[in-house]
Amino acid sequence: DVKVTQSSRYLVKRTGEKVFLECVQDMDHENMFWYRQDPGLGLRLIYFSYDVKMKEKGDIPEGYSVSREKKERFSLILESASTNQTSMYLCASSSKRGNTDTQYFGPGTRLTVL
Amino acid sequence: RKEVEQDPGPFNVPEGATVAFNCTYSNSASQSFFWYRQDCRKEPKLLMSVYSSGNEDGRFTAQLNRASQYISLLIRDSKLSDSATYLCVVGLTFGNEKLTFGTGTRLTIIP
Repeated sequence: DVKVTQSSRYLVKRTGEKVFLECVQDMDHENMFWYRQDPGLGLRLIYFSYDVKMKEKGDIPEGYSVSREKKERFSLILESASTNQTSMYLCASSSKRGNTDTQYFGPGTRLTVL
Repeated sequence: RKEVEQDPGPFNVPEGATVAFNCTYSNSASQSFFWYRQDCRKEPKLLMSVYSSGNEDGRFTAQLNRASQYISLLIRDSKLSDSATYLCVVGLTFGNEKLTFGTGTRLTIIP
């Protein structure tokens, strides 16, 4: 069964703190994605990776960085958290194999920055 | 103009009714199309892919109109469990890299 897990469901941090959000998938997928979801704005792509050690900026990369040292793990880093980064963060993965384009999502991390 | 536009709703529909959503996309080069479902406080999950010829999965029918650049979802005989937000999703290429998500249409089925 397909599984994407995220390290925390809820996280509260203070302004200026460094924040790590971890995502792990067990499906041997090549592609991994980080989104944030905000009311009225939908899902917006922050960064994605199509292979180990590869990363591409999404639509809103400012204030974020990522790391993909292993195929199954994709980390999102907030170098210095700010209140406007309070959001729901969703990780997803997908495969390049076959003709399916499905992205599978983790349960999300609701981050509050005080 | 947004890349993917949906009516946010909410749509409040009595149980058993038929409901239809439309979605428009701006990039005529788009190649892959989906409907995802998102329950309250849960992650999005694929409901169905949308093919050029149209496709059906039980009570759900999806259609694509490339000329007008819109995608539709029809739900027949709606159930209480259909209450959710429905996300229209568009991809530029096959190969499963970037997808663009609409903001979603909220549906509530009323007993």
